[in-house]
Amino acid sequence: QGQLEQSGPAVKKPGASVKVSCKASNYTFRVYGISWVRQAPGQGPEWMGWTSVNSGETNYAQKFQDRVTMNVDTLTNTAYMEMRSLRSDDTAVYFCARSSLPDGFDVWGQGTVVIVSS
Amino acid sequence: EIVLTQSPGTLSLSPGERVTLSCRASQSIHGDYLAWYQQKPGQAPRLLIFRASSRATGIPDRFSGSGSGTDFTLTISKLEPEDFAVYYCQQYITSPLTFGGGTKVEIK
Repeated sequence: QGQLEQSGPAVKKPGASVKVSCKASNYTFRVYGISWVRQAPGQGPEWMGWTSVNSGETNYAQKFQDRVTMNVDTLTNTAYMEMRSLRSDDTAVYFCARSSLPDGFDVWGQGTVVIVSS
Repeated sequence: EIVLTQSPGTLSLSPGERVTLSCRASQSIHGDYLAWYQQKPGQAPRLLIFRASSRATGIPDRFSGSGSGTDFTLTISKLEPEDFAVYYCQQYITSPLTFGGGTKVEIK
């Protein structure tokens, strides 16, 4: 069925960077992509971008294009999302999700809380 | 960007009732790549329906999806206590992928 295990919570100061990891297990990592979705307190989900595990190709939402990097390590079956120049409105829960075109986002990580505060 | 508008914002219902949730897109969703998710507090979203009408693995058959183009519907035939949650639709074909604002189904 597949599982995604994310790294723990992070508290960062404005202007800092954060890197969230997402370790996949119980499925063939290369077959699917990994999307990143964030959810601010009391808000709906917001798609940030996607990485093809097989090719390394990325597609970022324009809103995050200048501040985010998504990549994967196929040796450890781990995906990473790094965001730079953090602001207070980046405070949110960040999720990774297994994604494919026909099937949608069918497996999700548990979420990583990122708090940005001075 | 494809904007998804969900209605109503909140539904107050009793267990056993039938629920119909709406998701309307600002432009046609190619291939009907529209998904529905359920989210409970403190949890990740859970995929219910993909490609407008296909149930995800392990999803009970009381959940069904329908629609095409710009108008989509999620139906829960008979509400169970565990179904009280927030439901989101998502289009996953056109970048940026987008989610609707959600419909909260609460206990009356």
